[in-house]
Amino acid sequence: NAGVTQTPKFQVLKTGQSMTLQCAQDMNHNSMYWYRQDPGMGLRLIYYSASEGTTDKGEVPNGYNVSRLNKREFSLRLESAAPSQTSVYFCASAVSDTGELFFGEGSRLTVL
Amino acid sequence: EDQVTQSPEALRLQEGESSSLNCSYTVSGLRGLFWYRQDPGKGPEFLFTLYSAGEEKEKERLKATLTKKESFLHITAPKPEDSATYLCAVEKSGSRLTFGEGTQLTVNP
Repeated sequence: NAGVTQTPKFQVLKTGQSMTLQCAQDMNHNSMYWYRQDPGMGLRLIYYSASEGTTDKGEVPNGYNVSRLNKREFSLRLESAAPSQTSVYFCASAVSDTGELFFGEGSRLTVL
Repeated sequence: EDQVTQSPEALRLQEGESSSLNCSYTVSGLRGLFWYRQDPGKGPEFLFTLYSAGEEKEKERLKATLTKKESFLHITAPKPEDSATYLCAVEKSGSRLTFGEGTQLTVNP
């Protein structure tokens, strides 16, 4: 049982490059989330999807876009990466819109 | 503005030395308070949900309690495998989780 799978695990980008972080869950969960984790800042919500076909902005959405491709998959896109987007990104899912989240192992992104 | 503050930032214990971690919050309309454990290089793992003041939850050596202003995570006779960062998060009606910065716990053998 894989749970929440994120790819890639590590990525280095140059300023201005674009990339997409992929996330898939196999628990038949309705809600999916993207967080970023930075030292001294805690986990901050970027975007979430309460159900298939819907997406909403979180606390720090600027510079990101998301796609809820189907019930299993929720991707995060950086159109023009900036050094301030250097972070660890976590995807999470939940049965419904509650705080009991299941997290992936993270994607470590460095923007030079 | 909703705030979640965890203390201490870091805690070192000897194996068997019981202690508590604190999570204080200022949230109107609390819907739930959540505790997670995060190991280095991994995603957070859900531990407990507390919904109302006076509620307690237990799991092995961990016990979480909740008052109207704070939550405690009590660790009884910890073992080295309890070493991790413990995160607290609050959820209020109509909003998503707000996480604290975590307490990094180290248990020495």
